[in-house]
Amino acid sequence: GAVVSQHPSWVICKSGTSVKIECRSLDFQATTMFWYRQFPKQSLMLMATSNEGSKATYEQGVEKDKFLINHASLTLSTLTVTSAHPEDSSFYICSARGGLAATGELFFGEGSRLTVL
Amino acid sequence: DAKTTQPNSMESNEEEPVHLPCNHSTISGTDYIHWYRQLPSQGPEYVIHGLTSNVNNRMASLAIAEDRKSSTLILHRATLRDAAVYYCILRAPSGGSYIPTFGRGTSLIVHP
Repeated sequence: GAVVSQHPSWVICKSGTSVKIECRSLDFQATTMFWYRQFPKQSLMLMATSNEGSKATYEQGVEKDKFLINHASLTLSTLTVTSAHPEDSSFYICSARGGLAATGELFFGEGSRLTVL
Repeated sequence: DAKTTQPNSMESNEEEPVHLPCNHSTISGTDYIHWYRQLPSQGPEYVIHGLTSNVNNRMASLAIAEDRKSSTLILHRATLRDAAVYYCILRAPSGGSYIPTFGRGTSLIVHP
């Protein structure tokens, strides 16, 4: 099946620094990618929808200047958490919807665990 | 998006069948029913999907009610590795402006 890869799988950073998470579709072109955040024992919360070549669409309550999303190619989307604070510590997950998925099947990355000290 | 409701948790014994229900009473005629599961500290993985007919694959079976307002994911023989959170979501056909959102899902506990 299609593969989506995230990197890094985990990262620890100091408060105030920025962290970039990459999401790659390895064997298909992803015109649309979705970024989720998941806190412990909670469901996935959609943060934004990333479309190749255009600006991301953010969900209500998600600060677009803090969570910068770039989808510059059909195989790569990045999420940058700027000026990270401890409350940004979470599990970030991307998913992709590719052209081959006529039925709308989603492919998920492995997730990236961010810990802000 | 059409909303889905699932029980918060279910328990099963190893080697026994598990039936995980999902209600989606506001489903539209073109929505596909998708199931994903999430193991601890991992991203979700696709399990199965269907539109109207029951579906089988190597992981599970999906039984869809005739009126499509509910569905049931069936694990024929639960193993300890099946312990996960199972999400039922509705997906519009590709090309639409569908935004995939997840509910709380069902946490499946499998006892040895």
